[in-house]
Amino acid sequence: AQKITQTQPGMFVQEKEAVTLDCTYDTSDPSYGLFWYKQPSSGEMIFLIYQGSYDQQNATEGRYSLNFQKARKSANLVISASQLGDSAMYFCAMRVMGNQGGKLIFGQGTELSVKP
Amino acid sequence: EAEVAQSPRYKITEKSQAVAFWCDPISGHATLYWYRQILGQGPELLVQFQDESVVDDSQLPKDRFSAERLKGVDSTLKIQPAELGDSAMYLCASSPHFEGEQYFGPGTRLTVT
Repeated sequence: AQKITQTQPGMFVQEKEAVTLDCTYDTSDPSYGLFWYKQPSSGEMIFLIYQGSYDQQNATEGRYSLNFQKARKSANLVISASQLGDSAMYFCAMRVMGNQGGKLIFGQGTELSVKP
Repeated sequence: EAEVAQSPRYKITEKSQAVAFWCDPISGHATLYWYRQILGQGPELLVQFQDESVVDDSQLPKDRFSAERLKGVDSTLKIQPAELGDSAMYLCASSPHFEGEQYFGPGTRLTVT
């Protein structure tokens, strides 16, 4: 069965420092995609970064980078130079191709708090 | 920039009442998803449409929930009768196709009293 695990319910980071949010996944399908979303208290899900299972290089988007370790089935999100506005819930998600129809399977989320 | 629209943003209803949520996807997006997010958890798919057809409704409680996308554009999710356990955020997302990036709307936060 496909599953996403986020083991950090909450994380604290000092402003301007880097932080890593952990994500491990489980699937037997060779073709999949991994996503990170940010959810502020207002509720909307904001797409941050995507990594395909066949991508050779780790994805980067501005201050966000994805540390993809395929053999360990991990897809950790690294946020560099944290800002106060980064305080939010962060969700890791997986999409399996084939018969799954493209639905996203989400983890439980990590609440990030950035301290001034 | 085009966005997914949802209404209402907030809804309070009493148990056993009927409630409906509306979603208007980004123009031209063929795939539409309804997710339910219980407080403290990640979203879970309720139903997925490809144009006007249901692709996946395996997690939709069909005894009380219904969803339609009659013309393959906007969509309505209905709950009748609502139960206390239905209190959650209901998120709509759309995608150009089922392998494309999903764009989420602002959600409808439902409270059942």
